[in-house]
Amino acid sequence: AQSVTQLDSQVPVFEEAPVELRCNYSSSVSVYLFWYVQYPNQGLQLLLKYLSGSTLVESINGFEAEFNKSQTSFHLRKPSVHISDTAEYFCAVSSNTGNQFYFGTGTSLTVIP
Amino acid sequence: NAGVTQTPKFRVLKTGQSMTLLCAQDMNHEYMYWYRQDPGMGLRLIHYSVGEGTTAKGEVPDGYNVSRLKKQNFLLGLESAAPSQTSVYFCASSYYGASSYNSPLHFGNGTRLTVT
Repeated sequence: AQSVTQLDSQVPVFEEAPVELRCNYSSSVSVYLFWYVQYPNQGLQLLLKYLSGSTLVESINGFEAEFNKSQTSFHLRKPSVHISDTAEYFCAVSSNTGNQFYFGTGTSLTVIP
Repeated sequence: NAGVTQTPKFRVLKTGQSMTLLCAQDMNHEYMYWYRQDPGMGLRLIHYSVGEGTTAKGEVPDGYNVSRLKKQNFLLGLESAAPSQTSVYFCASSYYGASSYNSPLHFGNGTRLTVT
């Protein structure tokens, strides 16, 4: 089984400041990597995904994540956060050899005005 | 599009009672999953299905049963509820499953269950 580690359970950041949410995974096989966002009282929504190719993946709302195979990491970044980015963020991994998605424990991002 | 719909949204049970959570998807997805979300533990897989008529155990299957009689529906049952099953339950679906390169999960909005 694979495992996903999100190193920070809570990240407070001031509005318009940059943020990085960290994610590390353990796998020796080809993986697919995802970031999901969960707003209060809602289900998870796909934020971005890495499948193959360029190691830098971007989403439509300014977030980006970089796949680093040597460090088995897939950190999420945004250069300038907004109040509306306040949410729970989950990193997830799957592979071409299994039937399951594996989730990290989540990082609660709070943007402070 | 409705996507993934879960019913009910909230439920309170007494210890020992039973109930069924319903998940319906209208995207013709083959794969469906039930997760529970608890504070500090992220999402844990309870059961999943790789197609109509199939089910398989996930990480935390004890105390739960599932059925996938129709492709669009995935039911999660609690035969004898326990306080440890107090949680938020999420259903999700995907077209090709976890082993496909382009098949992320689509989630419902969750069911908040309290067992007293």
